[in-house]
Amino acid sequence: SQQGEEDPQALSIQEGENATMNCSYKTSINNLQWYRQNSGRGLVHLILIRSNEREKHSGRLRVTLDTSKKSSSLLITASRAADTASYFCATDVDSNYQLIWGAGTKLIIKP
Amino acid sequence: NAGVTQTPKFQVLKTGQSMTLQCAQDMNHNSMYWYRQDPGMGLRLIYYSASEGTTDKGEVPNGYNVSRLNKREFSLRLESAAPSQTSVYFCASSESLPYGYTFGSGTRLTVV
Repeated sequence: SQQGEEDPQALSIQEGENATMNCSYKTSINNLQWYRQNSGRGLVHLILIRSNEREKHSGRLRVTLDTSKKSSSLLITASRAADTASYFCATDVDSNYQLIWGAGTKLIIKP
Repeated sequence: NAGVTQTPKFQVLKTGQSMTLQCAQDMNHNSMYWYRQDPGMGLRLIYYSASEGTTDKGEVPNGYNVSRLNKREFSLRLESAAPSQTSVYFCASSESLPYGYTFGSGTRLTVV
């Protein structure tokens, strides 16, 4: 069963613009992670935010977490063609080493 | 380069055939995982191994078996492949939560 749902399912923007993706989840979490997957490749860990954190930055990435709304957002600033990929959120629910994944947002950056 | 290595990268099986997907990590991680990824769906956990010597079922274990051979290696076996097992399979490892996972590059399996 899916815990996280990303929104939108697909997003197409011009290079240089900011891209925002959202993730909603259903149950209380310990932490939430974002991953990137380039076409035909494995997933790459981007950032982890703990349930007691509200915002986290890593380079051009900004992640926010609102536990009251059970939602998170991933902002990519000044997008580049290389950011074209699918982005997934994953939640850690019960600390038994398992993550529960959303279906992903497909991001296309147009040159 | 350090990371997770999966073999093979591509495989075509006939219904009823068996095969083993291999996975090895060189980061000294305790936990390893096997996922499948189908179009339009997130990753679904097949089996995981929290530490060497232990394995547990995930969300979709039917039709699969696993072996944690040692701390580095975690294999996934399909005893009698079915078309419903056509998917992309990913192996991942992690130190433990709340750390991120490191993924292999995947095995694209087609069962005809």
